[in-house]
Amino acid sequence: GAVVSQHPSWVICKSGTSVKIECRSLDFQATTMFWYRQFPKQSLMLMATSNEGSKATYEQGVEKDKFLINHASLTLSTLTVTSAHPEDSSFYICSARDTGYQPQHFGDGTRLSIL
Amino acid sequence: AQKITQTQPGMFVQEKEAVTLDCTYDTSDPSYGLFWYKQPSSGEMIFLIYQGSYDQQNATEGRYSLNFQKARKSANLVISASQLGDSAMYFCAMREGPPSGTYKYIFGTGTRLKVLA
Repeated sequence: GAVVSQHPSWVICKSGTSVKIECRSLDFQATTMFWYRQFPKQSLMLMATSNEGSKATYEQGVEKDKFLINHASLTLSTLTVTSAHPEDSSFYICSARDTGYQPQHFGDGTRLSIL
Repeated sequence: AQKITQTQPGMFVQEKEAVTLDCTYDTSDPSYGLFWYKQPSSGEMIFLIYQGSYDQQNATEGRYSLNFQKARKSANLVISASQLGDSAMYFCAMREGPPSGTYKYIFGTGTRLKVLA
Protein backbone atom coordinates (compact mmCIF):
# COMPACT_ATOMS: atom_id res chain seq x y z
CA GLY A 1 0.00 0.00 0.00
CA ALA A 2 0.82 3.74 0.08
CA VAL A 3 1.95 4.07 -3.52
CA VAL A 4 2.70 7.48 -5.00
CA SER A 5 3.05 7.79 -8.75
CA GLN A 6 4.92 10.69 -10.30
CA HIS A 7 4.89 11.49 -14.00
CA PRO A 8 6.86 12.07 -16.13
CA SER A 9 10.13 10.48 -15.01
CA TRP A 10 12.24 12.49 -17.42
CA VAL A 11 11.65 15.76 -19.22
CA ILE A 12 13.97 17.45 -21.67
CA CYS A 13 12.69 20.66 -23.17
CA LYS A 14 13.70 24.00 -24.58
CA SER A 15 14.13 27.15 -22.52
CA GLY A 16 10.90 29.08 -22.17
CA THR A 17 8.67 26.02 -22.12
CA SER A 18 6.30 25.35 -19.23
CA VAL A 19 6.47 21.87 -17.77
CA LYS A 20 3.80 20.13 -15.72
CA ILE A 21 4.63 17.31 -13.29
CA GLU A 22 1.89 15.16 -11.79
CA CYS A 23 1.89 13.44 -8.44
CA ARG A 24 -0.81 10.90 -7.69
CA SER A 25 -1.58 8.84 -4.62
CA LEU A 26 -2.81 5.53 -6.00
CA ASP A 27 -4.23 3.71 -3.00
CA PHE A 28 -4.89 6.35 -0.39
CA GLN A 29 -6.27 9.84 -0.08
CA ALA A 30 -3.52 12.39 0.27
CA THR A 31 -4.68 15.27 2.40
CA THR A 32 -1.24 16.83 2.14
CA MET A 33 1.33 16.67 -0.60
CA PHE A 34 4.84 18.05 -0.61
CA TRP A 35 7.11 19.12 -3.44
CA TYR A 36 10.86 18.91 -3.12
CA ARG A 37 13.81 19.83 -5.28
CA GLN A 38 17.11 18.03 -5.11
CA PHE A 39 20.40 19.09 -6.64
CA PRO A 40 23.07 16.45 -7.37
CA LYS A 41 24.65 14.99 -4.26
CA GLN A 42 22.56 17.21 -2.00
CA SER A 43 19.65 16.75 0.32
CA LEU A 44 16.00 17.36 -0.45
CA MET A 45 14.86 20.95 -0.31
CA LEU A 46 11.19 21.49 0.45
CA MET A 47 9.60 23.84 -2.05
CA ALA A 48 5.99 23.86 -0.95
CA THR A 49 3.28 22.10 0.98
CA SER A 50 -0.14 21.70 -0.58
CA ASN A 51 -3.40 20.74 1.04
CA GLU A 52 -6.33 19.60 -1.03
CA GLY A 53 -8.60 22.46 -1.97
CA SER A 54 -6.44 25.26 -0.64
CA LYS A 55 -3.51 27.32 -1.80
CA ALA A 56 -0.06 25.88 -1.43
CA THR A 57 2.31 27.15 1.22
CA TYR A 58 5.66 27.99 -0.31
CA GLU A 59 8.98 27.93 1.49
CA GLN A 60 11.01 31.08 1.73
CA GLY A 61 12.85 31.86 -1.48
CA VAL A 62 10.61 29.75 -3.73
CA GLU A 63 8.87 31.81 -6.39
CA LYS A 64 5.18 30.95 -6.33
CA ASP A 65 4.62 32.44 -9.79
CA LYS A 66 7.44 30.31 -11.17
CA PHE A 67 6.41 27.06 -9.54
CA LEU A 68 2.63 26.74 -9.70
CA ILE A 69 1.13 24.08 -7.49
CA ASN A 70 -2.40 22.78 -7.74
CA HIS A 71 -3.92 20.20 -5.41
CA ALA A 72 -7.37 19.88 -6.89
CA SER A 73 -8.28 16.46 -5.51
CA LEU A 74 -7.32 14.11 -2.71
CA THR A 75 -5.27 12.02 -5.11
CA LEU A 76 -3.61 14.51 -7.43
CA SER A 77 -1.24 17.43 -7.10
CA THR A 78 0.57 19.11 -9.98
CA LEU A 79 3.68 21.25 -10.14
CA THR A 80 4.04 23.48 -13.18
CA VAL A 81 7.41 25.05 -13.85
CA THR A 82 6.51 28.11 -15.89
CA SER A 83 8.83 29.50 -18.56
CA ALA A 84 11.56 27.10 -17.53
CA HIS A 85 15.21 28.10 -17.88
CA PRO A 86 18.40 26.04 -17.60
CA GLU A 87 18.79 26.98 -13.92
CA ASP A 88 15.49 25.20 -13.24
CA SER A 89 17.07 21.91 -14.30
CA SER A 90 16.94 19.63 -11.30
CA PHE A 91 15.39 16.53 -9.76
CA TYR A 92 11.87 17.22 -8.50
CA ILE A 93 10.18 14.77 -6.18
CA CYS A 94 6.79 14.78 -4.55
CA SER A 95 5.52 13.07 -1.45
CA ALA A 96 2.11 12.49 0.03
CA ARG A 97 0.54 11.43 3.27
CA ASP A 98 -3.00 10.68 4.37
CA THR A 99 -3.00 11.07 8.12
CA GLY A 100 -0.22 12.53 10.17
CA TYR A 101 0.41 9.13 11.71
CA GLN A 102 1.66 7.82 8.39
CA PRO A 103 5.08 8.64 6.98
CA GLN A 104 5.39 10.65 3.81
CA HIS A 105 5.50 8.37 0.80
CA PHE A 106 7.46 9.57 -2.18
CA GLY A 107 7.03 9.40 -5.91
CA ASP A 108 9.93 8.25 -8.05
CA GLY A 109 10.89 11.79 -8.99
CA THR A 110 11.19 13.73 -12.22
CA ARG A 111 14.50 14.66 -13.80
CA LEU A 112 14.02 17.98 -15.57
CA SER A 113 16.57 19.20 -18.08
CA ILE A 114 16.11 22.57 -19.73
CA LEU A 115 18.23 23.18 -22.80
CA ALA B 1 21.78 25.60 13.78
CA GLN B 2 21.25 22.33 11.97
CA LYS B 3 18.14 20.55 13.13
CA ILE B 4 19.24 17.23 11.67
CA THR B 5 22.91 16.33 11.47
CA GLN B 6 24.40 13.40 9.64
CA THR B 7 28.13 13.59 10.17
CA GLN B 8 29.15 10.73 7.88
CA PRO B 9 29.18 11.81 4.22
CA GLY B 10 30.21 8.32 3.17
CA MET B 11 30.54 4.87 4.69
CA PHE B 12 31.87 1.52 3.54
CA VAL B 13 30.80 -1.83 4.95
CA GLN B 14 31.67 -5.37 4.05
CA GLU B 15 28.84 -7.53 2.80
CA LYS B 16 27.07 -9.45 5.60
CA GLU B 17 28.38 -7.14 8.29
CA ALA B 18 26.34 -4.63 10.30
CA VAL B 19 26.69 -0.89 9.87
CA THR B 20 25.48 2.10 11.89
CA LEU B 21 24.56 5.38 10.24
CA ASP B 22 24.55 8.32 12.62
CA CYS B 23 21.86 10.95 13.02
CA THR B 24 21.51 13.60 15.70
CA TYR B 25 18.66 16.05 15.96
CA ASP B 26 17.78 19.25 17.71
CA THR B 27 14.30 20.21 18.80
CA SER B 28 12.57 21.65 21.84
CA ASP B 29 9.22 20.19 20.86
CA PRO B 30 8.30 17.23 23.10
CA SER B 31 6.38 15.58 20.26
CA TYR B 32 8.34 14.70 17.17
CA GLY B 33 9.02 11.86 14.80
CA LEU B 34 12.20 10.55 13.27
CA PHE B 35 12.40 8.80 9.92
CA TRP B 36 14.98 7.11 7.78
CA TYR B 37 14.76 6.95 4.01
CA LYS B 38 16.90 5.17 1.44
CA GLN B 39 17.59 6.75 -1.93
CA PRO B 40 19.17 4.46 -4.53
CA SER B 41 20.91 5.93 -7.55
CA SER B 42 17.62 5.72 -9.46
CA GLY B 43 16.31 8.51 -7.24
CA GLU B 44 13.22 7.20 -5.49
CA MET B 45 12.91 7.72 -1.76
CA ILE B 46 12.12 4.52 0.11
CA PHE B 47 10.74 4.74 3.64
CA LEU B 48 12.64 2.44 6.00
CA ILE B 49 11.73 3.05 9.61
CA TYR B 50 9.99 5.44 12.01
CA GLN B 51 10.49 6.33 15.67
CA GLY B 52 8.09 8.52 17.60
CA SER B 53 9.38 10.64 20.45
CA TYR B 54 7.06 8.92 22.93
CA ASP B 55 7.82 5.41 21.75
CA GLN B 56 9.32 3.41 24.60
CA GLN B 57 11.03 0.83 22.47
CA ASN B 58 13.45 1.18 19.61
CA ALA B 59 11.83 0.66 16.23
CA THR B 60 12.74 -2.37 14.15
CA GLU B 61 11.80 -3.33 10.59
CA GLY B 62 13.44 -6.48 9.31
CA ARG B 63 17.18 -5.83 8.98
CA TYR B 64 16.72 -2.18 9.99
CA SER B 65 16.66 -1.00 13.56
CA LEU B 66 16.75 2.46 15.02
CA ASN B 67 18.97 3.08 18.02
CA PHE B 68 16.99 5.87 19.69
CA GLN B 69 18.77 7.66 22.51
CA LYS B 70 16.45 10.46 23.49
CA ALA B 71 18.66 12.12 26.08
CA ARG B 72 21.49 12.33 23.59
CA LYS B 73 19.09 13.31 20.79
CA SER B 74 20.37 10.65 18.48
CA ALA B 75 18.53 8.27 16.17
CA ASN B 76 21.08 6.06 14.52
CA LEU B 77 20.09 3.55 11.86
CA VAL B 78 21.53 0.08 12.18
CA ILE B 79 21.52 -2.18 9.15
CA SER B 80 22.32 -5.78 9.97
CA ALA B 81 23.73 -8.33 7.53
CA SER B 82 24.45 -5.78 4.81
CA GLN B 83 23.63 -6.68 1.23
CA LEU B 84 24.99 -5.26 -2.00
CA GLY B 85 21.56 -3.80 -2.67
CA ASP B 86 21.88 -1.67 0.45
CA SER B 87 24.34 0.59 -1.38
CA ALA B 88 22.52 3.91 -1.57
CA MET B 89 22.13 7.33 -0.01
CA TYR B 90 20.44 7.32 3.39
CA PHE B 91 18.59 10.31 4.78
CA CYS B 92 17.48 10.95 8.34
CA ALA B 93 14.46 13.22 8.71
CA MET B 94 12.52 14.77 11.55
CA ARG B 95 8.93 15.90 11.92
CA GLU B 96 8.57 18.56 14.60
CA GLY B 97 5.25 18.52 16.36
CA PRO B 98 2.53 15.90 16.76
CA PRO B 99 1.33 13.74 13.87
CA SER B 100 -1.92 15.68 13.58
CA GLY B 101 -2.02 18.82 11.51
CA THR B 102 0.19 19.97 8.69
CA TYR B 103 3.85 19.52 9.30
CA LYS B 104 6.99 19.23 7.23
CA TYR B 105 10.05 17.07 7.40
CA ILE B 106 13.53 18.40 7.96
CA PHE B 107 16.10 16.28 6.16
CA GLY B 108 19.73 15.71 6.98
CA THR B 109 22.45 15.94 4.37
CA GLY B 110 22.59 12.20 3.92
CA THR B 111 25.14 9.40 4.17
CA ARG B 112 26.24 7.49 1.12
CA LEU B 113 26.69 3.82 1.97
CA LYS B 114 28.71 1.47 -0.18
CA VAL B 115 28.55 -2.24 0.51
CA LEU B 116 31.64 -4.13 -0.57
CA ALA B 117 31.54 -7.69 -1.88
